[in-house]
Amino acid sequence: GAGVSQTPSNKVTEKGKYVELRCDPISGHTALYWYRQSLGQGPEFLIYFQGTGAADDSGLPNDRFFAVRPEGSVSTLKIQRTERGDSAVYLCASSPNGQSNQPQHFGDGTRLSIL
Amino acid sequence: GESVGLHLPTLSVQEGDNSIINCAYSNSASDYFIWYKQESGKGPQFIIDIRSNMDKRQGQRVTVLLNKTVKHLSLQIAATQPGDSAVYFCAEIRYGGSQGNLIFGKGTKLSVKP
Repeated sequence: GAGVSQTPSNKVTEKGKYVELRCDPISGHTALYWYRQSLGQGPEFLIYFQGTGAADDSGLPNDRFFAVRPEGSVSTLKIQRTERGDSAVYLCASSPNGQSNQPQHFGDGTRLSIL
Repeated sequence: GESVGLHLPTLSVQEGDNSIINCAYSNSASDYFIWYKQESGKGPQFIIDIRSNMDKRQGQRVTVLLNKTVKHLSLQIAATQPGDSAVYFCAEIRYGGSQGNLIFGKGTKLSVKP
């Protein structure tokens, strides 16, 4: 597609469950980013991939959060033992090759609600 | 602290007027700045960017000004339209920092009155 695609658009699950959020970046973009946005706040960085490898995972809040990008394109953000505090919009972005003077282009996010 | 922030959380303007949205940053090592527009239920949409070696950049109906002396960034929207109503975020990447680590401010909500 033309833009960054994220699925599902909404996810509601119970506390303690496992969730996977998917991101399809813009075709050809080697850099992929995950952010989390709480209500009324700006997005907060979680993790950045350059190709298949995580170049920076310093924003992941704890070891319940993990992300993969096995073929350098689609990425999956995985959250184990979900907690109510994990409720947020999870945004994915991509850029052509991750250079710091390139804008990141965002998808519309997955709205995650933990009951 | 070392964060990007905004002076005003909300801004209301009349359709056709010019809008100015402000942003302050505290880290003089910041190298690259981006303005994003976010509509309800959507992801941030790229508007315009500027490097730290520039002080002004123009796009279609938008101008970004960078004042490194006072560490201030502004977004000017000419002839504001109802479709401009959204939350606007400035974001920075700091020189030497992670290429992935865009740092966002809290945002300014722009409301355009018809």
